[in-house]
Amino acid sequence: DQQVKQNSPSLSVQEGRISILNCDYTNSMFDYFLWYKKYPAEGPTFLISISSIKDKNEDGRFTVFLNKSAKHLSLHIVPSQPGDSAVYFCAGYKSGGGADGLTFGKGTHLIIQP
Amino acid sequence: DGGITQSPKYLFRKEGQNVTLSCEQNLNHDAMYWYRQDPGQGLRLIYYSQIVNDFQKGDIAEGYSVSREKKESFPLTVTSAQKNPTAFYLCASRLTGRNQPQHFGDGTRLSIL
Repeated sequence: DQQVKQNSPSLSVQEGRISILNCDYTNSMFDYFLWYKKYPAEGPTFLISISSIKDKNEDGRFTVFLNKSAKHLSLHIVPSQPGDSAVYFCAGYKSGGGADGLTFGKGTHLIIQP
Repeated sequence: DGGITQSPKYLFRKEGQNVTLSCEQNLNHDAMYWYRQDPGQGLRLIYYSQIVNDFQKGDIAEGYSVSREKKESFPLTVTSAQKNPTAFYLCASRLTGRNQPQHFGDGTRLSIL
């Protein structure tokens, strides 16, 4: 039973354009979300996070939006660069601050085309 | 240079053998985690430890064991009871405190001969 869902296994975007990666969750217990970027044969790298009390968080080219009523969040990358090609994971902490680990989606493979 | 070190990067196991994956961190983090990743799947939690000498089962603990004798180290043993051990294993750690992000090592790929 997937509690965090990334329904697009892959996404292809032209360099310089906006990349939008989507994530849905089913459990209202999630109250903090994180995005990770992963290259092959490496560990995930933390990108950006958002608390459920906010609807937007921005860090440079990366912005995460949260729609709590729809249980949906999205990661926007503007402008997309070749180095952004990677697998992106959406993950959530349930109420309790995350001591008991993250729940991950299956990931979206972002491909930036020149 | 602080970080999380997983070794070995590649590991081969014969059926029926136990193997131990190493995870060491010098970030002074109290909490440590083990995840498993299968192709096309997200990461799934195997075990976690919030403090030395204490650890908890995650979602897929069957066939695995851990120990936490030192703050810096959280080794994972894949036992012969794990029926499908071939996977990419990731270790993570984080500061205690609400909503601190986890930081990951570069993983160990385990294959069955």
